[in-house]
Amino acid sequence: QLHLQESGPGLVKPSETLSLTCTVSGGSIGSSANYWAWIRQPPGKGPEWIGSISYTGGLYYNPSLKRRGTISVDTSKNQFSLRLTSVTAADTAVFYCATHQIYGFDVWGQGTTVTVSS
Amino acid sequence: SSELTQDPAVSVALGQTVRITCQGNSLRTNYASWYQRKPGQAPVLVIYGKNVRPSGIPDRFSGSSSGSTASLTITGAQAEDESDYYCGSRDISGNHWLFGGGTKLTVL
Repeated sequence: QLHLQESGPGLVKPSETLSLTCTVSGGSIGSSANYWAWIRQPPGKGPEWIGSISYTGGLYYNPSLKRRGTISVDTSKNQFSLRLTSVTAADTAVFYCATHQIYGFDVWGQGTTVTVSS
Repeated sequence: SSELTQDPAVSVALGQTVRITCQGNSLRTNYASWYQRKPGQAPVLVIYGKNVRPSGIPDRFSGSSSGSTASLTITGAQAEDESDYYCGSRDISGNHWLFGGGTKLTVL
């Protein structure tokens, strides 16, 4: 059974770049037909999809990020990553990695809290 | 519209039936998926597609849809069902995903 675990700094300064990694176990990113996604949930709000990537090359981002986000896959480490540039306090959230197919997000990580503050 | 709208809070008496709704234009062309999230835990997919329960999800959970409204029904709510529930769907383009703001379910 797939297991996903997020990792990265819990505190990022305004205007800097947020970098998170999701480690996948129980299956291989490179052999899966799944999409690998990042989702965030600001305090008191619903989840917001950030973007998704597939091993075969599909890559989609939420337009609301205004091109600040980059998702990449490292098949050698069975990981995928998120970089979010020029962060502000509005980017403070719990960040989840997840995998999905056409019908929905079927496996989620536990989530990691990222606070943007000086 | 690119939004999914949910009632912020719903309550149900133990053992009774409750319906949680989700409204949005994307639901006219895409099925909703429903997620249960308890504090400190990873969200769990409970319903997807026309009315499909992933393995391990009790059969008291069911889904339905009509026009721009999708519903999650819990028939015979249990204390352990008290949680936040979120709906999600692909947007009209099919390439992006939307989520609702969530419904906090209280089991009395």
